[in-house]
Order: sequence, then structure tokens, then C-alpha cells
Amino acid sequence: GNSVTQMEGPVTLSEEAFLTINCTYTATGYPSLFWYVQYPGEGLQLLLKATKADDKGSNKGFEATYRKETTSFHLEKGSVQVSDSAVYFCALSDEADKLIFGTGTRLQVFP
Amino acid sequence: EPEVTQTPSHQVTQMGQEVILRCVPISNHLYFYWYRQILGQKVEFLVSFYNNEISEKSEIFDDQFSVERPDGSNFTLKIRSTKLEDSAMYFCAMGQGAEDTQYFGPGTRLTVL
Repeated sequence: GNSVTQMEGPVTLSEEAFLTINCTYTATGYPSLFWYVQYPGEGLQLLLKATKADDKGSNKGFEATYRKETTSFHLEKGSVQVSDSAVYFCALSDEADKLIFGTGTRLQVFP
Repeated sequence: EPEVTQTPSHQVTQMGQEVILRCVPISNHLYFYWYRQILGQKVEFLVSFYNNEISEKSEIFDDQFSVERPDGSNFTLKIRSTKLEDSAMYFCAMGQGAEDTQYFGPGTRLTVL
């Protein structure tokens, strides 16, 4: 069945460091891929998405490229801030339209 | 980003009691979803709903669960007889189309004692 695998956290970085959170997926067909972010005590917010192979989603300095050949959708940011501290969820939308989430990766950024 | 509203933000109930969680629809968003997140675990799909019918449901969504949107009003999730293991954050989500982006509400934290 369809699934999403994320790197385990927490990821701990200093401010202005480069961020990569790995995400790989298993799916039949061609799913859309998403990154959602959950700030402490809040709900899920869409961070970015990509709907087809080689698409790059970007928002707030974060980027992720839909790589069909490696079935990956890694999240990157060139310079993280303390305010980026949150839990990041990779997800895919399957043919039945439901979202399948990874386990989430907690990011902690220190000044 | 469209803003999805859920009520209540926190619900505490006794085991065996019925609870109803509500989600306020936003215009032009006709596809509805419920997800839940048990503390520290991944977000899990419960059910999708369109045109007053369930489109798909997960194994979690057993006979104790039901959804409805009476008269085009709030989209609700009812748990008929709560169990301890129903304690979780429940998220409502909405989309404009079957393959459209889903926008999530802030969640209702359900605590079953």
C-alpha cells in the first residue's frame, strides 16, 4: 500500500544552519506530495506542495522537489530561524484522495 | 490560506459518553475529511465526505463513529460511546476538489477519562 517514510527526529540546528529533512514515499500511480508544519500547540498548516514529477514546491524559504526516480520529496531550507522550530510532516495524496502522513520530524532551532 | 474553524478546542468526557466534534465549512470547499493524531504519533485518516455521503473510511472509523452535515451546516464527527483510546487530537480538513489541497482546522483535543 501507499506509505511515507520520514527521517527520525529531533533535528537540532543552530540558527542560520542548512536544513534537510528526508522524505521518501511508496505509491501506486502519481500522487501529489505535501509538506505540512505543526507549530507548538497548533494545527496543521500547509507549507508547500508538488503535484507532478520534477515540480518544486516552495514557501517561506523552504523548498522540496518531487523526484519520481528516487521517490523522494526532501524538505530543505538554506538558513533556518528559531521561529522554524516545529514538527514537519511529509504526506501524499492517494488515488482515493485521502492524505497519508509520515511520522513527523521535530525541528529544534537554537539561537 | 482558507481558515477552517473547529469547536470545541478541548473536550473532556467520561468513557462511554457520546461526543460531537464540529467543523465550520468554508465557502466553495465541498470535500470534508476527519483525521486524528494520538499524542506523539502520526496523523491518521478517518473518513472523507462529499455530497452528503462517505467517500472512504479507514479501519479506525468503526460503528462507533459517524459523520454528517445536516442541511449544509457544520460538518460533525460523532463518537457514540467513547473509549480511553479515542483520546487524541481530531482535525477537520476541507478541499475544493477531490484532488485539491486540504486545509486543516486547529483541531479538537479529546480527552476520555
